[in-house]
Amino acid sequence: DVVMTQSPLSLPVTLGQPASISCRSSQSLVYSDGNTYLNWFQQRPGQSPRRLIYKVSNRDSGVPDRFSGSGSGTDFTLKISRVEAEDVGIYYCMQGTHWPYSFGQGTKLEIK
Amino acid sequence: EVQLVESGGGLVQPGGSLRLSCAASGFTFRSYLMNWVRQAPGKGLEWVANIKQDGSEKYYVDSVKGRFTISRDNARNSLYLQMNSLRAEDTAVYYCARGRGSYWGQGTLVTVSS
Repeated sequence: DVVMTQSPLSLPVTLGQPASISCRSSQSLVYSDGNTYLNWFQQRPGQSPRRLIYKVSNRDSGVPDRFSGSGSGTDFTLKISRVEAEDVGIYYCMQGTHWPYSFGQGTKLEIK
Repeated sequence: EVQLVESGGGLVQPGGSLRLSCAASGFTFRSYLMNWVRQAPGKGLEWVANIKQDGSEKYYVDSVKGRFTISRDNARNSLYLQMNSLRAEDTAVYYCARGRGSYWGQGTLVTVSS
C-alpha cells in the first residue's frame, strides 16, 4: 500500500505569513493515464473535509488563490501565501492513483 | 448544487450489522465513482471502499474485506455500505464522497460498543 507522509504535523503560523506543508508518497503517483492523482483537503473543526487542490496543482472552484499546490512523482507541497484566520484546521494530502487510496496523517494549522 | 446525505449510523454491539445509505443529488450520479471514507474519533481519514460507475468493480481496504459490502442503485441515486461483524475499531464517522474526493457528505456516526 502507498504510504503518504506529511510534515510538519503541527504548523503554528502568524496571520498574514506564508505556510507550507510537505507530502511524500512511498511510490510514484503517476497513473497509467499520465495524470498524478494527488489531492489536498482542508478539514475545519467540526466539518467534513473539503478538497482544495486536485491533480497536484489545480484549485477547486471557490478556493482562494492564496492556496497553491506543486510537486511531481513522490514529492508534493501545499502553500498558503498569506494565512488568514479561516485557514485554521487540519490539512491532508491524499493519493488517488493506487488502491487503496490513502491520506497523509494530517497537518494541524493554528494561528500563533 | 451537489448534495450527499448519509444516514443509517448509530450504536451497535460488537458482531452486529448496520447499513449506511448516501442519497446523492445535483449531479449525474451514474457517471461517478463513489466512495466511503471513515474517520475514527480524533483520528485521520481512511478510505474504506469504492465502487465504479456501473457497479462492476468494487475495492475495499484490507481491514474491512469480507465484512463490508459497497453497492449502489443508479436509478435511486443512492450509495450503500452494508457493514457486518462490526468491531470496536470500526467506530467512526462514515462519509460518502464523490470521485476522488470532490464532494463529501456531512457524515454519519457509527459507534460499536457493548
